[in-house]
Amino acid sequence: QKEVEQDPGPLSVPEGAIVSLNCTYSNSAFQYFMWYRQYSRKGPELLMYTYSSGNKEDGRFTAQVDKSSKYISLFIRDSQPSDSATYLCAMSQASGGSYIPTFGRGTSLIVHP
Amino acid sequence: EPEVTQTPSHQVTQMGQEVILRCVPISNHLYFYWYRQILGQKVEFLVSFYNNEISEKSEIFDDQFSVERPDGSNFTLKIRSTKLEDSAMYFCASSPKDGFSSYEQYFGPGTRLTVT
Repeated sequence: QKEVEQDPGPLSVPEGAIVSLNCTYSNSAFQYFMWYRQYSRKGPELLMYTYSSGNKEDGRFTAQVDKSSKYISLFIRDSQPSDSATYLCAMSQASGGSYIPTFGRGTSLIVHP
Repeated sequence: EPEVTQTPSHQVTQMGQEVILRCVPISNHLYFYWYRQILGQKVEFLVSFYNNEISEKSEIFDDQFSVERPDGSNFTLKIRSTKLEDSAMYFCASSPKDGFSSYEQYFGPGTRLTVT
């Protein structure tokens, strides 16, 4: 079983839609959960991070972590064409383990006007 | 806004040749990383570097790879004898902190390495 699973998509939505992006993982030692946005031919850009379980909101973005299900989500409200990019989830362990993130494959999101 | 820069943007080399990929991290950052991303696959960690030495490396980072900070600004990744399977996008990243805050990594735009 792969450590971090993420559907590559593409996910195509109309402008203004609520987008849900998800990852599952197998390593219960992961404590830090990150979402990166990667535009074509660019490096990943950190969007949000959460520690352990719970929700975190930043503007139109909400990150959720459900450690009991080993499932994380990123919601984008009022999606815009400029949100079109690949979204990578990443996660790392806390103390006693490596802090180096393990990435998912990324989900390609297309928001059409 | 400060950013990580990488050169060249695209490097084509023949199998067996040595390549050096260059990165200029953000100036007040202390921790440096190299990642690679084979086309269509995940971003994979290669190596982290702090205080002029490797702090962690993955199993990918074998004897063919080396890193160096030759001066106060550049951070380089050298591949001694390239193989076809080294073809990938190579990302440099830097971070002001380590440990639980190492998620705060800033990535460069990448160098696309093509080995023929």
